[in-house]
Amino acid sequence: KNQVEQSPQSLIILEGKNCTLQCNYTVSPFSNLRWYKQDTGRGPVSLTIMTFSENTKSNGRYTATLDADTKQSSLHITASQLSDSASYICVVSRRTGANNLFFGTGTRLTVIP
Amino acid sequence: GAGVSQSPSNKVTEKGKDVELRCDPISGHTALYWYRQSLGQGLEFLIYFQGNSAPDKSGLPSDRFSAERTGGSVSTLTIQRTQQEDSAVYLCASSPTRYQQSDTQYFGPGTRLTVL
Repeated sequence: KNQVEQSPQSLIILEGKNCTLQCNYTVSPFSNLRWYKQDTGRGPVSLTIMTFSENTKSNGRYTATLDADTKQSSLHITASQLSDSASYICVVSRRTGANNLFFGTGTRLTVIP
Repeated sequence: GAGVSQSPSNKVTEKGKDVELRCDPISGHTALYWYRQSLGQGLEFLIYFQGNSAPDKSGLPSDRFSAERTGGSVSTLTIQRTQQEDSAVYLCASSPTRYQQSDTQYFGPGTRLTVL
C-alpha cells in the first residue's frame, strides 16, 4: 500500500476558479512534506516544503497546509490560470531509513478557459 | 544557471537491447537520484548517490539495472536486456547537500524510454 495517497486523481476547473488538492500519508517518523508541480514532459519542480512545526506555507497563488496530527496536507490554488495545468505531486520524507522519500501518484489538474 | 540535464530526451529500443541514460546534475550538488515514472504511477525510487559513499541501490527492480556516477558528477543508468515493462520516463534529480530528508531535489526533464 502506498504510504502517500492523493486525491482527486484528476480535476478540471475553469480559469479563475480556486481548487484544493489533498494528500494523506502514513509515513513515520515524519520529517517534512513537499508539493511539486510537474508540467507535461518536464521534471517536477518544488512549490513548498513544510516541517512538522509548520501548518501553512504560501508560494504566490499556492498555499499548502499541513496537519501533522491527522497526517493530512492540502494544496490550495487561488485564481487558477491556464499555466497551472499540470500534475501536482505530494512527497513525504521519513526521518530514518535507507529510502526516505515517499511519492504520491499525483493529481492531474486541467484549467480550461 | 544550468539545471539538471538528461539525455536522450526520448529513446526507442527493441526488446532485449541494452540502453544507457545519462544525467548531468547541477554543478556542486553532491546528491544524485534516479527515479522511474510509469504512466499513471507515482515516482519510483531507483538509486541514490551521495558524494563518495556507496550508493543506495535498494530501489533497483532487477539485476538488469545498474548505475554509476563518475567523478561525483555525471551519472549513467544502464538497463540491460530491456523488457517492455521497462518502458517509462526515467527522471534524474540532484540536491546540494547530504541530507536527503531536508533538501529540495531539482529534477531533470527525464528520458522517455519505449521498449518495443
